[in-house]
Amino acid sequence: GENVEQHPSTLSVQEGDSAVIKCTYSDSASNYFPWYKQELGKRPQLIIDIRSNVGEKKDQRIAVTLNKTAKHFSLHITETQPEDSAVYFCAASRASGTYKYIFGTGTRLKVLA
Amino acid sequence: GAVVSQHPSRVICKSGTSVKIECRSLDFQATTMFWYRQFPKQSLMLMATSNEGSKATYEQGVEKDKFLINHASLTLSTLTVTSAHPEDSSFYICSVPRQGQRFEQYFGPGTRLTVT
Repeated sequence: GENVEQHPSTLSVQEGDSAVIKCTYSDSASNYFPWYKQELGKRPQLIIDIRSNVGEKKDQRIAVTLNKTAKHFSLHITETQPEDSAVYFCAASRASGTYKYIFGTGTRLKVLA
Repeated sequence: GAVVSQHPSRVICKSGTSVKIECRSLDFQATTMFWYRQFPKQSLMLMATSNEGSKATYEQGVEKDKFLINHASLTLSTLTVTSAHPEDSSFYICSVPRQGQRFEQYFGPGTRLTVT
């Protein structure tokens, strides 16, 4: 069935360093890839997304890259800050039909001050 | 402001009882809503797609007789956990596709269910 793998499961970085989280999806028909940040007990918040017609998208300190051929996409956070500490989830979706999301397993990011 | 609300935010119930969770789209009508379950330190698992005017579509492995979904109106979907057991204790989150760009979803604040 459809599957999204996410690595690493935990990531600790020093404040100011960069963090990279990688996801691989199995459904070749997926064409929409959002990234969510979730703090403990809260709802997931969309931080950036990318559609399959582009290879990269950037929003200030956050960027996402997509390799459709290899079926993987990555989240890049530069100049990390303690408030970036949270759990990050990637997801893959077909932007048609049911529009349902398949989520990755999550990455717990800890930014050390 | 919030686009999607859920009620209640927390509920504790005894084993064997039923619990109803509401998901409301506040800003626009939604013919489709999604229900997820999230166990501690785990990912969001899609349980079912709630469809206005028709039956819900359940994901493989989700018992439709245990998790009853009713898309009561274009702004309200309810999830009823019937005959709840401690293993049903979880964080239940709904989401609503964005109007006009349905591939984007707005998530509700979640409902923490504890079954004793």
